Amino acid sequence: NAGVTQTPKFRVLKTGQSMTLLCAQDMNHEYMYWYRQDPGMGLRLIHYSVGEGTTAKGEVPDGYNVSRLKKQNFLLGLESAAPSQTSVYFCASSYRGTGNEQFFGPGTRLTVL
Amino acid sequence: GQNIDQPTEMTATEGAIVQINCTYQTSGFNGLFWYQQHAGEAPTFLSYNVLDGLEEKGRFSSFLSRSKGYSYLLLKELQMKDSASYLCAVIWVTGGGNKLTFGTGTQLKVEL
Repeated sequence: NAGVTQTPKFRVLKTGQSMTLLCAQDMNHEYMYWYRQDPGMGLRLIHYSVGEGTTAKGEVPDGYNVSRLKKQNFLLGLESAAPSQTSVYFCASSYRGTGNEQFFGPGTRLTVL
Repeated sequence: GQNIDQPTEMTATEGAIVQINCTYQTSGFNGLFWYQQHAGEAPTFLSYNVLDGLEEKGRFSSFLSRSKGYSYLLLKELQMKDSASYLCAVIWVTGGGNKLTFGTGTQLKVEL
């Protein structure tokens, strides 16, 4: 089992460019999450999904969109990147909701110039 | 939101015992996780507490006092590989369901 995988691992964007981060899990988990991690801020939830075809906003959703067309995949999109979106992005999944441990992907380090 | 407090940094000696504290607001509390995160890597699950008391897992133990809004992670027989950030995360009940909030983490440095 690969667990949770993320692509790409690193990316540099210019302000205004768009990109999509892909997260995949092979554990048949219902819930999937996108977080960003910034120095001194801890992990903050961007968007999450409680099942295929569903998405919901987290704590810091502005500037991001998500889709969960297949149970195993959760995509995070940046339509027009801004320097404030420079961060490390982690995807995670869990069998059910918040009472279950989350399994994290290796992260994507994004820099927006 | 949920306020979570943990020390920013701690230093300990190899072979020793270290206790990392986490305090949180008790209102709406519904469970607490500890995760370990090595530099440049993903967080990994250590423990989950929802009832008062101590949960032991090998060299790691986690304690919870719901009434005091307090938890600690105890690491025994410290090893160099335990140098990492330790994240406390709290589940709290809101009108929109359960929410999970992470603390900013405690950076532990283990020295010889």
